Amino acid sequence: QVQLQESGPGLVKPSETLSLTCTVSGGSIHNFYWSWIRQPPGKGLQWIGTISSSGNTTYNPSLKSRVTISLDTSKNQFSLNLRSVTAADTAFHFCARHVSFGGVFDCWGQGILVTVSS
Amino acid sequence: DIQMTQSPSTLSASVGDRVTFTCRASQNFNNWLAWYQQKPGKAPKFLIYRPSSLKSGVPSRFSGSGSGTEFTLTIGSLQPDDFATYYCQHFNGYQYTFGQGTKLEIK
Repeated sequence: QVQLQESGPGLVKPSETLSLTCTVSGGSIHNFYWSWIRQPPGKGLQWIGTISSSGNTTYNPSLKSRVTISLDTSKNQFSLNLRSVTAADTAFHFCARHVSFGGVFDCWGQGILVTVSS
Repeated sequence: DIQMTQSPSTLSASVGDRVTFTCRASQNFNNWLAWYQQKPGKAPKFLIYRPSSLKSGVPSRFSGSGSGTEFTLTIGSLQPDDFATYYCQHFNGYQYTFGQGTKLEIK
């Protein structure tokens, strides 16, 4: 059974870069799509972006200028970089799998809280 | 961009009740609509897709319907495990959008 696990710093300073990694275990990263979704504490969900197993990316237009999602197939991992963060970027960050771009998110990581504060 | 509006924001109900949540889109779209359940401190779980196909293993008391701009999620007879927040999700061909959620709480 595939499992996803987010990892990275829980605290980032304003104006710096938020960097997270999602490790996929129990299955291959190939032939799927992988997304990052965030949720400010007590608020709703926002899709950040998606990467295919071939490395093609699509980003939320509202975040596109600051986001990069990348893939490391040798480690069965994909990563999120969000630049120039502010307090408004404080959120739980989830990684998720889908079988196609346009497919539902059928498997999620447990989530990791990243706080932006000096 | 299509905006997804869920109502009500909060719904109070009792075990055994039948409840319905609504998700409205700001414009007509392709019926790509999914529902997720999220419990506190946990990741969302996919329940229903397009808009009435249940994920394998989801209890049959859950059902989805709708078309055009209005979609509903119905729970036929509430069980204690169903108290959670429910989100609808739309895909427009190039981005995913979530509704703001409906919190189902115990009356």
